[in-house]
Amino acid sequence: EVQLVQSGAEVKKPGESLKISCKNSGFGFSDYWIAWVRQKPGKGLEWMGIIYLDDSDTRYSSSFQGQVTISADKSIKTAYLQWNNLKASDTAMYYCARQETQWLDRSAFYTWGQWGQGTLVTVS
Amino acid sequence: DIQLTQSPSLLSASVGDRVRITCRASQGINNYLAWYQQKPGKAPKLLIYAASTLQSGVPSRFSGSGSGTEFALTISSLQPEDFATYYCQQLNSYSYTFGQGTKLEIK
Repeated sequence: EVQLVQSGAEVKKPGESLKISCKNSGFGFSDYWIAWVRQKPGKGLEWMGIIYLDDSDTRYSSSFQGQVTISADKSIKTAYLQWNNLKASDTAMYYCARQETQWLDRSAFYTWGQWGQGTLVTVS
Repeated sequence: DIQLTQSPSLLSASVGDRVRITCRASQGINNYLAWYQQKPGKAPKLLIYAASTLQSGVPSRFSGSGSGTEFALTISSLQPEDFATYYCQQLNSYSYTFGQGTKLEIK
């Protein structure tokens, strides 16, 4: 069974660096995309970016481009989300999700059916 | 960027009610739309993809409809476990915007 396991909660100070992880604990290869989603306290879901584990091809939301770095290590089927200069406004829950492709009537549809448990990042 | 606007933001209903949540896209997205349910402290759960296809394991009281710019999620008969927040999401060419969410609360 596919399971995404995220690293534990973090408490950091403004200006510090941080890298959190999302590991696919199931069997199989690394030919899939992993997305990162931010959820600030009491707020909605925001897509941050997505990375293809096999070759680290990465796409960012325009809102997060330059603010974070997404990377991956396909040998251990793990994706990362990194900050170099944390701000209080980065305080949030961060989720990873695995993107799969479903075929309907010869059209491809992306689905995010598997999510990690979330990593709470507190910057204070 | 494509924007998604959900209505209403807050919906009060009773067990057994039929409810409908709408999602409007700022430009046409064919049927590249998904719906999620999120409960407090939990990760989102995929309910529907391709606008109207039920994810495996999701109860049939959930249904999705629409195409282009107008979409809807309908719950035919609310159960106690359905009270949660619901989000739509467009998945079109590396653009994965979410709607702002609809909180479904017990009346």
